[in-house]
This record gives sequence, C-alpha cells and structure tokens, in this order.
Amino acid sequence: DSGVTQTPKHLITATGQRVTLRCSPRSGDLSVYWYQQSLDQGLQFLIQYYNGEERAKGNILERFSAQQFPDLHSELNLSSLELGDSALYFCASSTRQGDGYTFGSGTRLTVV
Amino acid sequence: AQKITQTQPGMFVQEKEAVTLDCTYDTSDQSYGLFWYKQPSSGEMIFLIYQGSYDEQNATEGRYSLNFQKARKSANLVISASQLGDSAMYFCAMYMDSSYKLIFGSGTRLLVRP
Repeated sequence: DSGVTQTPKHLITATGQRVTLRCSPRSGDLSVYWYQQSLDQGLQFLIQYYNGEERAKGNILERFSAQQFPDLHSELNLSSLELGDSALYFCASSTRQGDGYTFGSGTRLTVV
Repeated sequence: AQKITQTQPGMFVQEKEAVTLDCTYDTSDQSYGLFWYKQPSSGEMIFLIYQGSYDEQNATEGRYSLNFQKARKSANLVISASQLGDSAMYFCAMYMDSSYKLIFGSGTRLLVRP
C-alpha cells in the first residue's frame, strides 16, 4: 500500500455519462497530481492541487474538472464521456521532492 | 518548450548485465528535479530514483544510478546486474519549480532475457 488511495479501482460506463474518481493523498501530503494514461502510452499531466488550490494545469479537457477538499482528498470529474476517455487515471502526492511522488494504484475507466 | 524525451521504445538486456535507458529533457528552469519510475505489467507506478538540478553527484539507489549530464540535459538510468523482475516499462519525469508541473516521457519497455 503506497499510502495514496484511489477509488474505484475499475469503472465501466457508457458514452455520454459522467463519473467521479476519488483520490486520498498520503497523510501529511498537501499536493495532489492527476494523470491520464491511455493504453501503452505515457502519463499525461492533467492538473495539480496544493492545499485546496489549483496550482498547475496540463492538457485537461473542458469536460474534465477537479477539486481538492479541506480534508485534502481530491476528486476528478469526467463528463460527456467518449470512447477515447478510456484510460488508467492516476493520482500522486508528495511531501518532499527528493522522496519522489507516490502514486495510487489508479482507476481503470472503460467507456463503452 | 518543457519536454521529456525517451527515444528507446523498447530494449532487451541479458540477465545479470547492465543496461542504460536514455532520457533527455528540455527546460529553461534553473531549478528542477528528475525522476525515474518503473511500471510493471500490474500497472502500479514505482519510484526508483531522484536527481535535483543542483546536485553535483549522480544519484544512486541500490542497483539504480542516474547518469546526470546537465550540459547535455540528459538523465539516463543505469540498471546494474539486471534481473528478470526488472522487465517493465520505465518512465523518466521532470518537475519544474516555476510551473509546479511534473511531466513524463513516453517510456521505454525493458525486457530482461534469462
């Protein structure tokens, strides 16, 4: 267990639907990063939150949104889902850069 | 442009031999961090090693070492004495202090042959 918790582990939904992915960072970590990994591809940076505030934005679609709550857990909302949104979605957190960023086990989203 | 490039989509190495996975980066930041991650077929992301831009010595962690050449903007991962369990996808990543972004390369798939 890495200490970063992502739920659910698997999600199957239909096109046009909306889903919410949840991430709880390691205890004490203030930052949360979200990534999308499509099949056999690299990790695409979506968005970063730090202590409740959005701090960096990557190639996140307008159909996607995220937030970080006062208890530091974060949610990634994906709406109007398309087949191409099928991917593994990771979140990561960090306390000190030199210790690396700890990743959750990911949520595998399948859009049918 | 801020970018990480891994030019080797796939590599083979014989068990017990050393292997070098290439990574070049592009950033105008003076302060940044470089990371390597391993992703086995099970999918989890495992942190291997970190190098700060101001670190003068190359980082080492067990069988992993990072060959940091700042002038060339390269951060190659060296795995010594390869093991069958090293077969996985390897990603190079960079964190930039100016933008707070952590970006990844496209990865190198390593297969260790017995």
